[in-house]
Amino acid sequence: SQKIEQNSEALNIQEGKTATLTCNYTNYSPAYLQWYRQDPGRGPVFLLLIRENEKEKRKERLKVTFDTTLKQSLFHITASQPADSATYLCALVNQAGTALIFGKGTTLSVSS
Amino acid sequence: DAGVIQSPRHEVTEMGQEVTLRCKPISGHDYLFWYRQTMMRGLELLIYFNNNVPIDDSGMPEDRFSAKMPNASFSTLKIQPSEPRDSAVYFCASSFENSQETQYFGPGTRLLVL
Repeated sequence: SQKIEQNSEALNIQEGKTATLTCNYTNYSPAYLQWYRQDPGRGPVFLLLIRENEKEKRKERLKVTFDTTLKQSLFHITASQPADSATYLCALVNQAGTALIFGKGTTLSVSS
Repeated sequence: DAGVIQSPRHEVTEMGQEVTLRCKPISGHDYLFWYRQTMMRGLELLIYFNNNVPIDDSGMPEDRFSAKMPNASFSTLKIQPSEPRDSAVYFCASSFENSQETQYFGPGTRLLVL
């Protein structure tokens, strides 16, 4: 069955540094992958989508890579700020193409 | 647009009681999703609708759970009877055209079953 792992439950970094979050998947090849941000007590908010034929995508201070050989996506936040503190979820479309499967998320804490 | 609206925001009930969660999707969105989030299992898809028709309910945990979408602007998720293990945050999300791209989530309903 499809499996998705975000291998850090928590990540603590200093303001101004680059945060790098990892998402690994097994057993299939998704057509695309998404990253969401979730703040405490709120629903996830869509950030970026990257397709299998795209190696990298950027949006302001965010950068996502998608390595279909390694079956891995990296999510980078450059020049991190305390306001970036949140839980970040990766999500893959399932093999049948009918639904998203979410990772459990990585909680990022940026200290000033 | 007000975004996806869910009610109630918090629900505390006793085991055995019926619980009804409500969702109003973003106007014009064709897809509606119900998710459940717990610390142990993360965010799990329960069921989704396309144009008010249930497409995949394989994530619904058991017969105690049911969902309806009587029209394009309203959906309910019902648990009857509720059990303590149903305690979780339930999210509704909607999307336009392609069900797997950019889903817009509501604020969630935090359910506690005592």
